[in-house]
Amino acid sequence: DQQVKQNSPSLSVQEGRISILNCDYTNSMFDYFLWYKKYPAEGPTFLISISSIKDKNEDGRFTVFLNKSAKHLSLHIVPSQPGDSAVYFCAASVSNTGKLIFGQGTTLQVKP
Amino acid sequence: GAGVSQSPSNKVTEKGKDVELRCDPISGHTALYWYRQSLGQGLEFLIYFQGNSAPDKSGLPSDRFSAERTGGSVSTLTIQRTQQEDSAVYLCASSTGDRVTYGYTFGSGTRLTVV
Repeated sequence: DQQVKQNSPSLSVQEGRISILNCDYTNSMFDYFLWYKKYPAEGPTFLISISSIKDKNEDGRFTVFLNKSAKHLSLHIVPSQPGDSAVYFCAASVSNTGKLIFGQGTTLQVKP
Repeated sequence: GAGVSQSPSNKVTEKGKDVELRCDPISGHTALYWYRQSLGQGLEFLIYFQGNSAPDKSGLPSDRFSAERTGGSVSTLTIQRTQQEDSAVYLCASSTGDRVTYGYTFGSGTRLTVV
């Protein structure tokens, strides 16, 4: 039972354009969401998070949007840079507790 | 240390052997987590330690898997009688508590290959 789903295995965008990565979840108890970035041979690194009491959180070039009614969140990267090329995982937790449930990941390629 | 340290970085073992994977969390982090990533899959939760509380073992896939955390610091994940489906990257992470507001800090992982 995949509670957090990233249905697009890969995404390719041109440098300077917007990257939009999507994530869907099924568990309505999830109330805290995070995005992680992973380079090859490294562990994932925390990128940005959002609480369910918000619908948007912004940090520099990265913005996360949450649509609770649709159980959907997205990560926008603008402008995209070649260094953003990595695997992006979304994750969710219940009541901001320790255990995170991760999606399968989306590989982003930003072309110069 | 400055980050989460995992050893070994790579491990090749024969089917049926036991393996031990080690994790040194960031000093002072009370919470420690083990995940694994199989080829083409997301990160699968295995086990979670928080302070002196009983660990959350709900993600361990079988009784061949066990983990300990000694002295609230170093953790060892043990896989007995390894099978080929155990091949994966095993990731350890730590955090300051049971809140994930700022996310976990992950180590670089141990790539386990069972042949």
